[in-house]
Amino acid sequence: GNSVTQMEGPVTLSEEAFLTINCTYTATGYPSLFWYVQYPGEGLQLLLKATKADDKGSNKGFEATYRKETTSFHLEKGSVQVSDSAVYFCALLNYGGSQGNLIFGKGTKLSVKP
Amino acid sequence: GAVVSQHPSWVICKSGTSVKIECRSLDFQATTMFWYRQFPKQSLMLMATSNEGSKATYEQGVEKDKFLINHASLTLSTLTVTSAHPEDSSFYICSARGLGGRSYEQYFGPGTRLTVT
Repeated sequence: GNSVTQMEGPVTLSEEAFLTINCTYTATGYPSLFWYVQYPGEGLQLLLKATKADDKGSNKGFEATYRKETTSFHLEKGSVQVSDSAVYFCALLNYGGSQGNLIFGKGTKLSVKP
Repeated sequence: GAVVSQHPSWVICKSGTSVKIECRSLDFQATTMFWYRQFPKQSLMLMATSNEGSKATYEQGVEKDKFLINHASLTLSTLTVTSAHPEDSSFYICSARGLGGRSYEQYFGPGTRLTVT
């Protein structure tokens, strides 16, 4: 079945460091891919998305490229800030379900120190 | 943006009792609501999907008689954990999607931590 695997955290970085959070997926067909972010005390929010191979999603300085050949959707940011501290979830949209169900990875907690 | 609230944010109950969790869309009408469960260091697992005014659709392995879902209005869905046991202790998250919203356009609540003693 469809699944998402992302690197385990927690990840601790200093401000202005480069961030990579790895995400790979297993899916039949051509799923859409997403990164969600959950700030402390808040609900998950859509950070960025890509709907087909080679698409690059970007938002708030974060980027991720849909790589079909490596079944990956790694999240990157060139210079993290303390305010980026949150839990990041990689997800794919399973079109096989009647409701279009999101399938999530386990989440990666990022802590950015000043 | 669209806001979804959950109440309570945390609850402790005794084994054998029932607990109700509310999920509300505050500034939009949610035609579809989703209930997820998250174990520590695990991903969110979809439990059920509910459409306003109709019965919820449960995922395989989820006991519908234990996890009662009601979506009586366009702004409120409730999850009732009946005869709770310690293994039901978990983090429960709801999300809501408005009319015409795409499948991934779900707005998530902040979650409810349930501890059954």
